[in-house]
Amino acid sequence: KAGVTQTPRYLIKTRGQQVTLSCSPISGHRSVSWYQQTPGQGLQFLFEYFSETQRNKGNFPGRFSGRQFSNSRSEMNVSTLELGDSALYLCASSRGRPESDTQYFGPGTRLTVL
Amino acid sequence: DQQVKQNSPSLSVQEGRISILNCDYTNSMFDYFLWYKKYPAEGPTFLISISSIKDKNEDGRFTVFLNKSAKHLSLHIVPSQPGDSAVYFCAVRSNAGGTSYGKLTFGQGTILTVHP
Repeated sequence: KAGVTQTPRYLIKTRGQQVTLSCSPISGHRSVSWYQQTPGQGLQFLFEYFSETQRNKGNFPGRFSGRQFSNSRSEMNVSTLELGDSALYLCASSRGRPESDTQYFGPGTRLTVL
Repeated sequence: DQQVKQNSPSLSVQEGRISILNCDYTNSMFDYFLWYKKYPAEGPTFLISISSIKDKNEDGRFTVFLNKSAKHLSLHIVPSQPGDSAVYFCAVRSNAGGTSYGKLTFGQGTILTVHP
C-alpha cells in the first residue's frame, strides 16, 4: 500500500509570492491534516480536511488556506509569503474515525522564503 | 500554554540497554496518545499508540505506558539499537466536542542517541 505523498519536496520562493503544496493520502483515508514544523515552534497543527470539508483549524493567519478534493487529495496554499513561513510542511492522512485513529505522515515539503 | 511537554531535550543510551522517553500533558480530555520517530527533513514515522482506556501497549521492542492520574506517558525501547537514534515526539489527540479527531498536539521532541 502506497504511503502519503507530497509534492513538491523542495520549494524556494520570495517574499510576497504565493505557494501551493499538494498531498495525496493513503488509499482509503478520508482525513488529511497539515502541520508546520519550524525549529522555534516545533510541529504545529494548521488544519484538517475530511470529506472535502475543513473540520478543524489551528491558530494560523488567514494567509494559510487549504482544500480537499473528492478523491481525498488535498492542497494547502500560503499567500503573501513572509520570511517566517520558511518551514517543513507536513501532511498526514488517517481514516478520520472518532475512535483511536492513527495519522501517517508524508515526507514533507521544505519551503524556503527569501 | 504548552499542553504537551517532553522535558528532556536529549537522551544518550548504550546499545542493548533500555531507553525511556517521557511526556507529560495537562488536558484530561486527551484520549489517544502516539509516539513518532523522526529524522531531519523527513516526515514523522508512527511507532506505537495507546488509547486512554488502556495503561500499557506493547509492539516488539517498543512499549508505551500511560498513567492517567499523573497525566504522564512514557515510551520504553528494549533493547536499544544504534538505528533507533532519532528525534522522538509524543503526540496527543483530544476528543473534546467530537471535532478534534484530525488534530494532534506534539511535544517538543527528545533526541535519542544510542551508542554502539
